[in-house]
Amino acid sequence: SQQGEEDPQALSIQEGENATMNCSYKTSINNLQWYRQNSGRGLVHLILIRSNEREKHSGRLRVTLDTSKKSSSLLITASRAADTASYFCATDNNDYKLSFGAGTTVTVRA
Amino acid sequence: GAGVSQSPSNKVTEKGKDVELRCDPISGHTALYWYRQSLGQGLEFLIYFQGNSAPDKSGLPSDRFSAERTGGSVSTLTIQRTQQEDSAVYLCASSLIPGGTYEQYFGPGTRLTVT
Repeated sequence: SQQGEEDPQALSIQEGENATMNCSYKTSINNLQWYRQNSGRGLVHLILIRSNEREKHSGRLRVTLDTSKKSSSLLITASRAADTASYFCATDNNDYKLSFGAGTTVTVRA
Repeated sequence: GAGVSQSPSNKVTEKGKDVELRCDPISGHTALYWYRQSLGQGLEFLIYFQGNSAPDKSGLPSDRFSAERTGGSVSTLTIQRTQQEDSAVYLCASSLIPGGTYEQYFGPGTRLTVT
């Protein structure tokens, strides 16, 4: 079953704008990861944030984690056409399984 | 270095036939995972292998699904008597060390279509 739920389901923005998507989960976690998927094929790991961290940056990506609200957000700044993809959050419930949400589809218009 | 590879990339089969999907993990990665992704959905965990330990098969949807991992490397996912609801993209991932704390590296997937 899916634990993470991304919001919104779809997002369309102009190149250069920022894109923000959210992930909510139900049970306590060790860490939360964000992945990107292009064209419905393999996923690429973007960033991992541990449960004792509140914010993390990687290039144009900024991830926040609020364990009290059981939610995370992914911000992509200065978006590019190449950022067009689906983005998934995945949570680790203290074992080796990752639970993925249904994803947010981001379209960056030129 | 080489990433996770999967074959075939696409497979079309008739209902009732058996199919085998192959995954070659990154060399040295001890953990291997199979997921299924239906159209527009997230990933559904199927099975997990770690070293010589017994695999976790808790995600397999029915007894028509089975998987093995030979020599701690290549893995094969077999679906017997395929049904139309088996149509999906089957993704394999590997990680250096088991556990969700570590990044999983995904293959490009096999798109299975059951007609």
